[in-house]
Amino acid sequence: EIVLTQSPGTLSLSPGERATLSCRASQSVRSGFLAWFQQKRGQPPRLLIYGTFTRATGIPDRFSGSRSGTDFTLTITRLEPEDFAIYFCQQYGTSPYTFGQGTNVEI
Amino acid sequence: QVQLQESGPGLVRPSETLSLTCSVSGGSLTSSSYNWGWIRQPPGKRLEWIGSVYHNGSTDYNPSLKGRVTMSADTSKTQFSLNLRSLTAADTALYYCARQWVNSYSEPLLFDPWGRGMLVTVSS
Repeated sequence: EIVLTQSPGTLSLSPGERATLSCRASQSVRSGFLAWFQQKRGQPPRLLIYGTFTRATGIPDRFSGSRSGTDFTLTITRLEPEDFAIYFCQQYGTSPYTFGQGTNVEI
Repeated sequence: QVQLQESGPGLVRPSETLSLTCSVSGGSLTSSSYNWGWIRQPPGKRLEWIGSVYHNGSTDYNPSLKGRVTMSADTSKTQFSLNLRSLTAADTALYYCARQWVNSYSEPLLFDPWGRGMLVTVSS
């Protein structure tokens, strides 16, 4: 199965700063089928990005996704207070579908 | 707007079978645009895909669960279910149901939206 490794485990930043989150796949992710989710305590995951680059409906343009080979990146250009949460990646190109362990973006 | 809600027991004994149901509102289980999946998160661990039931009733399961899983859909009730057998403490987790998109090539894709999740504890 494809193992997704996220880094860093925790990112300590302030509102207005830029956040860069990494997700490294152990092998090629078919067709760039990788998504990013945001999760807050007590809430279900919220889809942010799919297909490596495409923002989900209603997601502000401060969120963006990119890729270099098997390295995927989620960038939040200017952190808003509501952006402090856990972020995880998921590959859906190959079954079994797998998830990263998450990055906690904290103030 | 489709919404999903998990239901079932919050506490199950070791060696028994867990049965969870996901109720879907605002959507059809027979649409070829979607499959329906279960995902879990043990405490302190990453999310794990359990399996998916396709719109045509076929299934795809995570091999890591070694044949302990059965999933099915009841289209008349717009519900789908998960049965997980031979439970151990390692099956203690927050269990989510989710809709899985399907593209025009019938390829299963990502999961969105998700239910709010249900905590299941395996303990005697």
